[in-house]
Amino acid sequence: SAVISQKPSRDICQRGTSLTIQCQVDSQVTMMFWYRQQPGQSLTLIATANQGSEATYESGFVIDKFPISRPNLTFSTLTVSNMSPEDSSIYLCSVEGQGKDIQYFGAGTRLSVL
Amino acid sequence: GESVGLHLPTLSVQEGDNSIINCAYSNSASDYFIWYKQESGKGPQFIIDIRSNMDKRQGQRVTVLLNKTVKHLSLQIAATQPGDSAVYFCAESTGGGNKLTFGTGTQLKVEL
Repeated sequence: SAVISQKPSRDICQRGTSLTIQCQVDSQVTMMFWYRQQPGQSLTLIATANQGSEATYESGFVIDKFPISRPNLTFSTLTVSNMSPEDSSIYLCSVEGQGKDIQYFGAGTRLSVL
Repeated sequence: GESVGLHLPTLSVQEGDNSIINCAYSNSASDYFIWYKQESGKGPQFIIDIRSNMDKRQGQRVTVLLNKTVKHLSLQIAATQPGDSAVYFCAESTGGGNKLTFGTGTQLKVEL
């Protein structure tokens, strides 16, 4: 399985500001994914990030709020823009495994917005 | 502390007993299923997977059962240990694609 590093591991932010979360993987992967996990809930896919193309967003998530970059096959960023307390969540990145269907996850970024 | 399991259904078992965690899925077109374990403060960890052309798959101390007729998936953990305490999620995907849809999750608590 891939080794996935997320930064920061946690942050406390003021409303109205933006936070960029980084995801680094130790091998080249075609597809990377960003999820949100709200307190006490399951994971919800925000978007799929492919290198060389714009991210594909799921219903309820828009690029202006969650811009994503994918500059190469080992790195991606997710920005949470103009944050409000409702954005307080765990944000997780994942990558496809060699079996393509499996996804491996980073440890997540725990975001609190005051 | 971590609040992932705050609103999740809970299964409490005695150490050494077998655990059965259930998951109902809604998409009859789903053809691939995964179980993940999420410990407090960590990301989900892959446990075992199964494709829709199978109804049972075994791993080390874990077995996944798939009943496509009633769209039900279960994870059985044999001889449950304190280290098994975590939140368990099932996830499904369709058509060999990568998009995973996660279930609501179950908090497993192992009592000594």
